[in-house]
Amino acid sequence: GQNIDQPTEMTATEGAIVQINCTYQTSGFNGLFWYQQHAGEAPTFLSYNVLDGLEEKGRFSSFLSRSKGYSYLLLKELQMKDSASYLCASMDSNYQLIWGAGTKLIIKP
Amino acid sequence: GAVVSQHPSWVICKSGTSVKIECRSLDFQATTMFWYRQFPKQSLMLMATSNEGSKATYEQGVEKDKFLINHASLTLSTLTVTSAHPEDSSFYICSASWGREPGNTIYFGEGSWLTVV
Repeated sequence: GQNIDQPTEMTATEGAIVQINCTYQTSGFNGLFWYQQHAGEAPTFLSYNVLDGLEEKGRFSSFLSRSKGYSYLLLKELQMKDSASYLCASMDSNYQLIWGAGTKLIIKP
Repeated sequence: GAVVSQHPSWVICKSGTSVKIECRSLDFQATTMFWYRQFPKQSLMLMATSNEGSKATYEQGVEKDKFLINHASLTLSTLTVTSAHPEDSSFYICSASWGREPGNTIYFGEGSWLTVV
């Protein structure tokens, strides 16, 4: 079956670095998405990886290993506003999104 | 497995016709359902929020007469794109929640690709 796993909740300190992991098993693969979602708001696109490696975009970086079915989102220099849920989603061979349940990130001063 | 399912996954329709997309919550009763559209590598744009048994609340700029949303039961919401035009071609995603509070878990559907020719 198709499955996406990511931790339910993580806590980190302001100014620190946090890595949110995501493992996926989908029928085919057409890319891995990361979204940020604040409570009550629509998800905001953060990154899209379809090739192996690390893609850096400001304070956020995303990594993909297709052979391991693994991705992570790295957040540096954490700010209080980074407190949100982070959703991992894999696009399968039919270009359908398979969603993870989201990781709630709590930032402490 | 999926807890929110959309149908159809892919649909092609002629310009001027209407097309309906269904969103079903499989394992729970969805008090609230959300409809989004997404262009490639862009954020999900919230179109409307629908609460079971009441009229949908549309986001600014979304034509409610064009994008008809019905949430007649706790497990089904439908989005009907009326008089579709090529610019309506997009990826439409629904999500569902069993509560109305911002902190309630939201589950997303697989998405439906609409191509208007």
